[in-house]
Amino acid sequence: AQSVTQLDSQVPVFEEAPVELRCNYSSSVSVYLFWYVQYPNQGLQLLLKYLSGSTLVKSINGFEAEFNKSQTSFHLRKPSVHISDTAEYFCAVKLQGGSEKLVFGKGTKLTVNP
Amino acid sequence: SQTIHQWPATLVQPVGSPLSLECTVEGTSNPNLYWYRQAAGRGLQLLFYSVGIGQISSEVPQNLSASRPQDRQFILSSKKLLLSDSGFYLCAWSEGSGGAYEQFFGPGTRLTVL
Repeated sequence: AQSVTQLDSQVPVFEEAPVELRCNYSSSVSVYLFWYVQYPNQGLQLLLKYLSGSTLVKSINGFEAEFNKSQTSFHLRKPSVHISDTAEYFCAVKLQGGSEKLVFGKGTKLTVNP
Repeated sequence: SQTIHQWPATLVQPVGSPLSLECTVEGTSNPNLYWYRQAAGRGLQLLFYSVGIGQISSEVPQNLSASRPQDRQFILSSKKLLLSDSGFYLCAWSEGSGGAYEQFFGPGTRLTVL
């Protein structure tokens, strides 16, 4: 069965600093990969996704993630964070041609301090 | 465009009371539907998912049940709530089957069992 590991449960950074949120997965077959963001007391919103093609995917608000098949990773990065990026971030995988389920990591709480 | 609704937004219930949470989706047909629970520090736990009317898959044995009486309606129920049922309940939908379809989440219901 596939699994997702988010290595850091909490990441505090200062405003305008770079950040990397780590995500590793295990699966015996190819997967689709997703990052979701959750603001306090809200549902999850899709931030970006990797389906195929270019291994570097970008969101409209400056985040990017790179699929590394050999390291089974999909780390999320932003070169300069804002206070408004404070939220919880979830990495998720879906088996290609498999069930309709997403498997989520336990989340990383990003806190951006002034 | 598609929208997903959940109600109520918050709920406080005594132990042993029944529960009914409702989720509806607009703007799409035959969606896959999902119920998740999010408890503090435990990430997202998939409870049930449905690929069609009357078709429910249960992921975790518990005192909760789900039903899909209409194509775009998904209901989460319990006959007798436990303290451990407290949490943030999220409904989600996705397109079709077998594809690289991301899930879209509702705003959630905060349930407190006292």
